[in-house]
Amino acid sequence: EIVMTQSPATLSGSPGERATLSCRASQSVSGNLAWYQQKPGQAPRLLIYGASTRATGIPARFSGSGSGTEFTLTISSLQSEDFAVYFCQQYNNWPWTFGQGTQVEIK
Amino acid sequence: EVQLVQSGAEVKKPGESLRISCKGCGYSFDSYWISWVRQMPGKGLEWMGRIDPSDSYSHSSPSFQGHVTISVDKSISTAYLQWGSLKASDTAMYYCARHPRGNTAMDVWGQGTTVTVSS
Repeated sequence: EIVMTQSPATLSGSPGERATLSCRASQSVSGNLAWYQQKPGQAPRLLIYGASTRATGIPARFSGSGSGTEFTLTISSLQSEDFAVYFCQQYNNWPWTFGQGTQVEIK
Repeated sequence: EVQLVQSGAEVKKPGESLRISCKGCGYSFDSYWISWVRQMPGKGLEWMGRIDPSDSYSHSSPSFQGHVTISVDKSISTAYLQWGSLKASDTAMYYCARHPRGNTAMDVWGQGTTVTVSS
């Protein structure tokens, strides 16, 4: 199965700062990569699919890039509601797999 | 409103059986696949398997194959995740999520069902 590795495990940032989260696949997943946000006690929410397309209702400060094995989620200006855990997920090969998550916390 | 509504929390003993449910509302249920995702306490997300409500074809991750069964009753727009014999290690939150057919992202998620297995 494809192993997804996210870095860093924890990112500390201040409101207004730019945040860059990375996700690496153990083999190419083409552009079949999604990013999800999960807040405590809530279900995950789809942010980005197709590596770079924002899901419905997702603010423009969230952007995704990459293809093949290297992907990035960028939050251009952190807002208080963005402090959460972010997961990447490949849906190119079965079984689908997730990264272990990046916790974005307030500095 | 498009939503997936999951059944309530369960507390079971090891060896017991269990079926949890996920009801699709506000959309054409058999036009989207349903996946199940496990999240153990304090851990990440694990994709367990998926089912196509239009023909009931299911496909599970090797990590879960043989231990859980995924099924569907499209007449009531409901998918199920079932265990024949629970273990303590099945204690987790379980989410259902829908996605368009094929290799696509999961765009709508249920609220989750907590399963606790303890003697």
